[in-house]
Amino acid sequence: NAGVTQTPKFQVLKTGQSMTLQCAQDMNHNSMYWYRQDPGMGLRLIYYSASEGTTDKGEVPNGYNVSRLNKREFSLRLESAAPSQTSVYFCASSERDNEQFFGPGTRLTVL
Amino acid sequence: GEDVEQSLFLSVREGDSSVINCTYTDSSSTYLYWYKQEPGAGLQLLTYIFSNMDMKQDQRLTVLLNKKDKHLSLRIADTQTGDSAIYFCAERPGGGYNKLIFGAGTRLAVHP
Repeated sequence: NAGVTQTPKFQVLKTGQSMTLQCAQDMNHNSMYWYRQDPGMGLRLIYYSASEGTTDKGEVPNGYNVSRLNKREFSLRLESAAPSQTSVYFCASSERDNEQFFGPGTRLTVL
Repeated sequence: GEDVEQSLFLSVREGDSSVINCTYTDSSSTYLYWYKQEPGAGLQLLTYIFSNMDMKQDQRLTVLLNKKDKHLSLRIADTQTGDSAIYFCAERPGGGYNKLIFGAGTRLAVHP
């Protein structure tokens, strides 16, 4: 099992560009999450998907959109990147209320 | 509100015990977690404790929970250089979805 995988690992964007971060899990989990991690701060939840076909806003959703493509995949889209979105992005999955398993992260820099 | 606080840095000598502390605010929290993050990697769950427990031991790890003071600690016995990482405390507030509130993380440095 690969667990939770994320692509790309690194990305540099210019202000105003768009991109999609991909996440996939092979553990047959119902719930998936997107977090961002900034220096000196804990992870903050951007969006989550409690089950296939549903998505909800987390703590910091502004500037992002998500798609739960199927049970395995949950993507995060930045339509018009801003320097404030420079961060490390983590995807996670869980079986309902149980432990969340994290991917290796995507390091994004917006110039 | 919901908030989790941790000290940002801890330095210990190899072989000593490390104690990482955390305070949280939500008294309805059902689970409290400790995650470990090594450089360039994602978070890995180390251990967790139910809110109705006082202590949990798992090999070199001991978790203590003082629910009255909303204080959680992680003790690592016989700390090794491989334990150098950032340790995150997280609480799961009661109700709703599986939402986790993370602290800022404690960077543990282990020196010879």
